[in-house]
Amino acid sequence: KQEVTQIPAALSVPEGENLVLNCSFTDSAIYNLQWFRQDPGKGLTSLLLIQSSQREQTSGRLNASLDKSSGRSTLYIAASQPGDSATYLCAVLHYGGATNKLIFGTGTLLAVQP
Amino acid sequence: NAGVTQTPKFRVLKTGQSMTLLCAQDMNHEYMYWYRQDPGMGLRLIHYSVGEGTTAKGEVPDGYNVSRLKKQNFLLGLESAAPSQTSVYFCASSGSGKNIQYFGAGTRLSVL
Repeated sequence: KQEVTQIPAALSVPEGENLVLNCSFTDSAIYNLQWFRQDPGKGLTSLLLIQSSQREQTSGRLNASLDKSSGRSTLYIAASQPGDSATYLCAVLHYGGATNKLIFGTGTLLAVQP
Repeated sequence: NAGVTQTPKFRVLKTGQSMTLLCAQDMNHEYMYWYRQDPGMGLRLIHYSVGEGTTAKGEVPDGYNVSRLKKQNFLLGLESAAPSQTSVYFCASSGSGKNIQYFGAGTRLSVL
């Protein structure tokens, strides 16, 4: 059974710091991995999607890497800002037979202090 | 550009009551999904649909029913609500099974 783990569960950093969020998964049979952002009381916003054949994706200050063989992904946030404060979720699109399943981690709650 | 819209945003039910959550998407997506999000559990798939008129069970389908009579709408029903169904419910849609899923803002449901 595919399991997705995110460490740490919570992180607090001062503004301007670079930081790394971690995601690990137990089964390498995935189509892609996605990173989402969730603001309190809101839905999920997709940040980056990495296909299983790719090693990394970049969008602005965000860089996500994928090492499928070791079951790991990292989300790197450069020059963090208070507006980056949110919960970050990773999810793997797992081979599910008839239909593929998006399996989520429990998230990392990030607080960027001004 | 509405995307995925969920109604209602909040609801309080008594045990045994029924209700229907509505999800509407305006992106002409084939796939639609219902998830629930509970503390420490992450998002779990309840039911999903790969096209109009089709539905299938996800990871935690018990106590829920769904219908996809129109391509743009996906309904989630609770026939007899239980306190264990207190959760935040999210609807999502995607163009295919491998594409990015777009999420609604969620429905906070409390069952007393």
